[in-house]
Amino acid sequence: EVQLVESGGGLVQSGGSLRLSCAASEFPFSTYPMSWIRQAPGKGLEWVSIISTSGADTYYADSVKGRFTISRDNSKNTLYLQMNSLRAEDTAIYYCVGGGFRDWFDPWGQGTLVTVSS
Amino acid sequence: EIVMTQSPATLSVSPGERATLSCRASQSVSTKLAWYQQKPGQAPRLLIYDTSTRATGIPARFSGSGSGTEFTLSISSLQSEDFAVYYCQQYNKWPPRLTFGGGTKVEIK
Repeated sequence: EVQLVESGGGLVQSGGSLRLSCAASEFPFSTYPMSWIRQAPGKGLEWVSIISTSGADTYYADSVKGRFTISRDNSKNTLYLQMNSLRAEDTAIYYCVGGGFRDWFDPWGQGTLVTVSS
Repeated sequence: EIVMTQSPATLSVSPGERATLSCRASQSVSTKLAWYQQKPGQAPRLLIYDTSTRATGIPARFSGSGSGTEFTLSISSLQSEDFAVYYCQQYNKWPPRLTFGGGTKVEIK
């Protein structure tokens, strides 16, 4: 069964940093572009960032550009999101998701909650 | 940025009835549109991609149509497990600026 398991979420103060990880199993990780998508409490879905299969190409939503960095380690089947200068509006569940390069998002992890206190 | 607008925000439907959800794009996305289902406390799940292709394991009662800026997700004969929030998403923009609609909640009437 395909699994994407996020970790690294938690409570952090405004201005602080967190690093999210997403471990993939039973999934051809190195052949998939990977994305982070977030969902603020009670709100809709917001695409955050995407990385190509090699990691050479990365793109970001304007809301996180310059503060967040996406990366991947194909030897470890792991995706990362380094989040700096966190703001209260970054509070959300962060999902690790396959796809997004001119295609749909699938599969999805279960998400990890990031709470930024002001 | 391509803005995706879903309507209605909430749809009240009786079990066994048909539900029709709409999604409108602020500019053409061709047929580069997907639909997702999200139940409370769960991650979203892909239902349909490329406007009308059902994802693996998705029942035939789910169907999608449209092109350009107007899209529809239809659920024939709603089952209890279909009451959820549904999101549309476009993936036509390059470089990637992937956007979702605000969602339609399908609730029991």
